[in-house]
Amino acid sequence: DTAVSQTPKYLVTQMGNDKSIKCEQNLGHDTMYWYKQDSKKFLKIMFSYNNKELIINETVPNRFSPKSPDKAHLNLHINSLELGDSAVYFCASSQVAPNSPLHFGNGTRLTVT
Amino acid sequence: AQTVTQSQPEMSVQEAETVTLSCTYDTSESDYYLFWYKQPPSRQMILVIRQEAYKQQNATENRFSVNFQKAAKSFSLKISDSQLGDAAMYFCAYRSTTQGGSEKLVFGKGTKLTVNP
Repeated sequence: DTAVSQTPKYLVTQMGNDKSIKCEQNLGHDTMYWYKQDSKKFLKIMFSYNNKELIINETVPNRFSPKSPDKAHLNLHINSLELGDSAVYFCASSQVAPNSPLHFGNGTRLTVT
Repeated sequence: AQTVTQSQPEMSVQEAETVTLSCTYDTSESDYYLFWYKQPPSRQMILVIRQEAYKQQNATENRFSVNFQKAAKSFSLKISDSQLGDAAMYFCAYRSTTQGGSEKLVFGKGTKLTVNP
């Protein structure tokens, strides 16, 4: 199936731990994103990559480090997890053209205890 | 920076009726794209409809249509013949065409739509 897939779907961990979320798209898109959806459902961009190059870093704490080994993959590593990091994290991809909609993965619900 | 405002945190509609969800945005650009996304309880983000700012004609997709008023910076979504499966969070979103802005979608805070049988 053509899609944006991210793993894991759920992640429960303790404060201070380090965790990673993986994302892959097979749509041939050049641009990939990480969005954070908070408890009030607000979606905010964290990072945007174009062909493996970081384009946007929206004042995200440096505990969050995205890595794009190739243009089909964009992983998110989070160090020293805090309670406030609990949220749903969405990976997405799109064509570069601004009329191109974003295609989203199904989200990863991160719970930090 | 562009902002998107959805003034209705929650809306409800009777099955088979019509409902309109509001969205306004703030921008100094003349060319841009607008989108409506739907997020059902499954959490999946689904594209509903998109509008190009340079097109005066309102976009339609089956039961979904928009009322795009460029001068008023308004982009409302009309759902006709509402169905139970339309119940979801609806997000309005803006995408710039300029470098530095086109690399992201800016979302409103969403409207939760309930469909009553």
